[in-house]
Amino acid sequence: DQQVKQNSPSLSVQEGRISILNCDYTNSMFDYFLWYKKYPAEGPTFLISISSIKDKNEDGRFTVFLNKSAKHLSLHIVPSQPGDSAVYFCAAMIYSGGGADGLTFGKGTHLIIQP
Amino acid sequence: DAGITQSPRHKVTETGTPVTLRCHQTENHRYMYWYRQDPGHGLRLIHYSYGVKDTDKGEVSDGYSVSRSKTEDFLLTLESATSSQTSVYFCAIKLGVNTEAFFGQGTRLTVV
Repeated sequence: DQQVKQNSPSLSVQEGRISILNCDYTNSMFDYFLWYKKYPAEGPTFLISISSIKDKNEDGRFTVFLNKSAKHLSLHIVPSQPGDSAVYFCAAMIYSGGGADGLTFGKGTHLIIQP
Repeated sequence: DAGITQSPRHKVTETGTPVTLRCHQTENHRYMYWYRQDPGHGLRLIHYSYGVKDTDKGEVSDGYSVSRSKTEDFLLTLESATSSQTSVYFCAIKLGVNTEAFFGQGTRLTVV
């Protein structure tokens, strides 16, 4: 049973436009969400996160929105650049649990930025 | 890269042989993790450690064991490798309990 879902395996966006990557979760205990970016043959790198007490977090060109009632989050990249072409993973954790449990990841979305 | 080194980076092994992957960190972080990444599955947690000799199972722990005898090293062992364990393995550390994880470069393991 997949607790974090990224339903779009791939997304193609024109350079300079907005990229919107979506993620849904089913476990209502999750209260901290993260986005990772991964290039081929490299490890995932942390991009941005959001706590469930917020509905938006912004860092430069990257903004994450959280809709708790819908159990949905999205990552917006504006403007999209060629270097943004990568696989993006959505991840979740139980922040308030205080334990060492790892992250639960979605399957990833391959973002392709077209020139 | 948070001082994480995985070795080897690539390995081809035969079915039935034991394999050990090593994750080494230089910053004395308490929390360490092993994930595997497979097409169509994202990253899945195999085992994790919250201190020397303190380990626990993750989502896909069958066929794997781990050991952590020193803070800086977290070893993942496949006692008898199977083709289903062909994957890319990532080690990760967390700076604290409730922080993001930082990943190593990965080990590509092929079991033939």
